[in-house]
Amino acid sequence: NAGVTQTPKFQVLKTGQSMTLQCAQDMNHNSMYWYRQDPGMGLRLIYYSASEGTTDKGEVPNGYNVSRLNKREFSLRLESAAPSQTSVYFCASSEREGQPQHFGDGTRLSIL
Amino acid sequence: GEDVEQSLFLSVREGDSSVINCTYTDSSSTYLYWYKQEPGAGLQLLTYIFSNMDMKQDQRLTVLLNKKDKHLSLRIADTQTGDSAIYFCAESINDYKLSFGAGTTVTVRA
Repeated sequence: NAGVTQTPKFQVLKTGQSMTLQCAQDMNHNSMYWYRQDPGMGLRLIYYSASEGTTDKGEVPNGYNVSRLNKREFSLRLESAAPSQTSVYFCASSEREGQPQHFGDGTRLSIL
Repeated sequence: GEDVEQSLFLSVREGDSSVINCTYTDSSSTYLYWYKQEPGAGLQLLTYIFSNMDMKQDQRLTVLLNKKDKHLSLRIADTQTGDSAIYFCAESINDYKLSFGAGTTVTVRA
């Protein structure tokens, strides 16, 4: 009964390094999302995937890329990490667009 | 515009009721949500209400929606120490986007 699983849970990077955050869901959901959470700002949508094979930009896509590898997995890549990308990253999924979203436990990323 | 506002802090005595308030701006929102975040954890979907409803009750949780004033509230009856967390209000802007408030930190004191 895992739901949404994110790996790693913690990561420290140096400026300029690259990194891929992994997300997998076992609920057979069609739609998946990546958010970042910063203090006092709630959550902001980075990218989303309405269904397997499609991805679209959210509010804050700059500096990120995504891949919907299959129905279960949706990864987020930082090609050249910057200190401004220090944040907590959450993956979420929903049965389809417009349905309640279920979140993973997050990846805490620090960029020095 | 998309702006969800909620008070930042709430302190409540164990056993009392907690009421967390939220205002939103998009009158076309289909769903409105309450999420709970415990320290170091992800967001747990607590409850949600469809926009054509005024109230929803689920055990100790009561959600009230006033569409005219664009006001959403979450009442937690008989608040327990395990209810200490950050509570996020969110509205659905469209089929894929949720707009979140900054979160209300609820502290339950003995």
